[in-house]
Amino acid sequence: DVKVTQSSRYLVKRTGEKVFLECVQDMDHENMFWYRQDPGLGLRLIYFSYDVKMKEKGDIPEGYSVSREKKERFSLILESASTNQTSMYLCASSEWSATNEKLFFGSGTQLSVL
Amino acid sequence: EDKVVQSPLSLVVHEGDTVTLNCSYEVTNFRSLLWYKQEKKAPTFLFMLTSSGIEKKSGRLSSILDKKELFSILNITATQTGDSAIYLCASPGAGSYQLTFGKGTKLSVIP
Repeated sequence: DVKVTQSSRYLVKRTGEKVFLECVQDMDHENMFWYRQDPGLGLRLIYFSYDVKMKEKGDIPEGYSVSREKKERFSLILESASTNQTSMYLCASSEWSATNEKLFFGSGTQLSVL
Repeated sequence: EDKVVQSPLSLVVHEGDTVTLNCSYEVTNFRSLLWYKQEKKAPTFLFMLTSSGIEKKSGRLSSILDKKELFSILNITATQTGDSAIYLCASPGAGSYQLTFGKGTKLSVIP
């Protein structure tokens, strides 16, 4: 069965800390994504990657960076966490295909920044 | 800018009711529209629609696309408490593989 695994379900950090959210997929997918989900705002794309070492900004990249050193792993980095980054973070992956945009999601990380 | 709009944003029904969830879109070079169900954390895929008028069905859930009027509906018949979830609608943007999501419809089914 296909799997996208996020390293933490719940995380509590302090303002100013550097935060790493890790995501691993076992489907050999080329594309990987980081979304955040907030009540009333839905899912918003932060960054995505279509290949190792490649990254593209999504709709809300400010305050975030990403790293993709291996095909199966996509990390989201909050360089200096702020309270407005308290949110649910969802990682996803998909094949590189113009006819199949189906995303597979991880279970999410609920991040609280105090 | 691509846009996906869902309505209603929330809905409360009784078990056994039939519900219709709506999704309208304005997407450049439209290719497909996808529906997801999010119960606890991870959204899970329900349907992908690419052609107008062809109904996709899975058990009590069905969905159809109207490319002329730029909308899709998701129907759930004989609802059960296990159908309680957020239902998300999404479409890929022009020339890219990222999905633009609607804000979701939160469905609550009460016994």
